[in-house]
Amino acid sequence: GAVVSQHPSRVICKSGTSVKIECRSLDFQATTMFWYRQFPKQSLMLMATSNEGSKATYEQGVEKDKFLINHASLTLSTLTVTSAHPEDSSFYICSARDPSTGLAGPQYFGPGTRLTVL
Amino acid sequence: AQKITQTQPGMFVQEKEAVTLDCTYDTSDQSYGLFWYKQPSSGEMIFLIYQGSYDEQNATEGRYSLNFQKARKSANLVISASQLGDSAMYFCAMREVLDQAGTALIFGKGTTLSVSS
Repeated sequence: GAVVSQHPSRVICKSGTSVKIECRSLDFQATTMFWYRQFPKQSLMLMATSNEGSKATYEQGVEKDKFLINHASLTLSTLTVTSAHPEDSSFYICSARDPSTGLAGPQYFGPGTRLTVL
Repeated sequence: AQKITQTQPGMFVQEKEAVTLDCTYDTSDQSYGLFWYKQPSSGEMIFLIYQGSYDEQNATEGRYSLNFQKARKSANLVISASQLGDSAMYFCAMREVLDQAGTALIFGKGTTLSVSS
């Protein structure tokens, strides 16, 4: 299947700092990418839909000023957690669909980023 | 209301036995897709199998098959001949409005499968 990479895989930062997470589609172009958040032993919750060349669409309850999303190219979306606090500690995972698989194709996921805010 | 319901928080099965993981869904769309993903302890999400709402036949992929009952709105995953490596969290997911490229997957709460020897 298609490959989605994510970097970094693990980050530890101090409270108040900002952290940038990159999501890349390696062998296909993705006009849309998705960002999810997962707490331990829980499900994936959609945070936002990242659209290439336009503003991201955020889910209800997700602060757009706190979680900045930039989809500058067809293969790269970034999520920046601004002024991170301990409650932002979580597993962040991105995904994208390969358009060549058609509208019924699966979303492929990156390996995830484990963020720990001290 | 929950869109995807997985009622089994945990399931236990012995090696080589078959196991069924339940999933029911709720949608008013006519065109939708149902997906199953496996998440081992490493955290990666591995795509297993897909069923489209208009597909007449149940989907199969190797040891995985999807028991799709549209009238009951259920899409249970059947794993045959379980292996120790099947121990993981399993998520059922749905994508509505299948003809629009920008719709995201909605996930159930997941079922933890433990396979013993």
